[in-house]
Amino acid sequence: AQSVAQPEDQVNVAEGNPLTVKCTYSVSGNPYLFWYVQYPNRGLQFLLKYITGDNLVKGSYGFEAEFNKSQTSFHLKKPSALVSDSALYFCAVPYGGSQGNLIFGKGTKLSVKP
Amino acid sequence: GAGVSQSPSNKVTEKGKDVELRCDPISGHTALYWYRQSLGQGLEFLIYFQGNSAPDKSGLPSDRFSAERTGGSVSTLTIQRTQQEDSAVYLCASSSRRGRNTEAFFGQGTRLTVV
Repeated sequence: AQSVAQPEDQVNVAEGNPLTVKCTYSVSGNPYLFWYVQYPNRGLQFLLKYITGDNLVKGSYGFEAEFNKSQTSFHLKKPSALVSDSALYFCAVPYGGSQGNLIFGKGTKLSVKP
Repeated sequence: GAGVSQSPSNKVTEKGKDVELRCDPISGHTALYWYRQSLGQGLEFLIYFQGNSAPDKSGLPSDRFSAERTGGSVSTLTIQRTQQEDSAVYLCASSSRRGRNTEAFFGQGTRLTVV
């Protein structure tokens, strides 16, 4: 079965420092991987996705993610964190077959302090 | 519309009552999803509609939950005889086409509180 895991419940970063939010996956076949962000009291917003091609994917708000097949990881990164990046981040993978519904990780709360 | 719209944004109901949650997807989007997000929990898939195909109801937690999508657009999630454990944020999403590589766009959610 397709699944993703986010090993950290919370990540704390100082503003201006690089940030990493971790995600590992377990899929059969070629993986399609997604990152979403949820700001307080808001719905989820799409950040970026990996389909094929370059292992480094660039997305919204200066975020990027690196696909690593040997480590089955898709970590979210940003070179310089902003306080406004504080939110809940979800990694996701499609359920399987030709269906599009996503299976989400449990989420990682990112806290960026000034 | 510009985005996925959900109504109401908040709903407080008494235990045992029925509730209806509405979702207006992005115009032209053929796929529509319902998820549930409980406090401190991740997102739980409930149901998936794709065009005129039979919906994937595999995530519905009990027969008290049902959903329909009229005319391939607006969807209503109905919870009958609500229980306190139904309290959660119910999120609706839509996407433009069938396929595992298509991102979904989410609404703001309906926060349901059962008292």
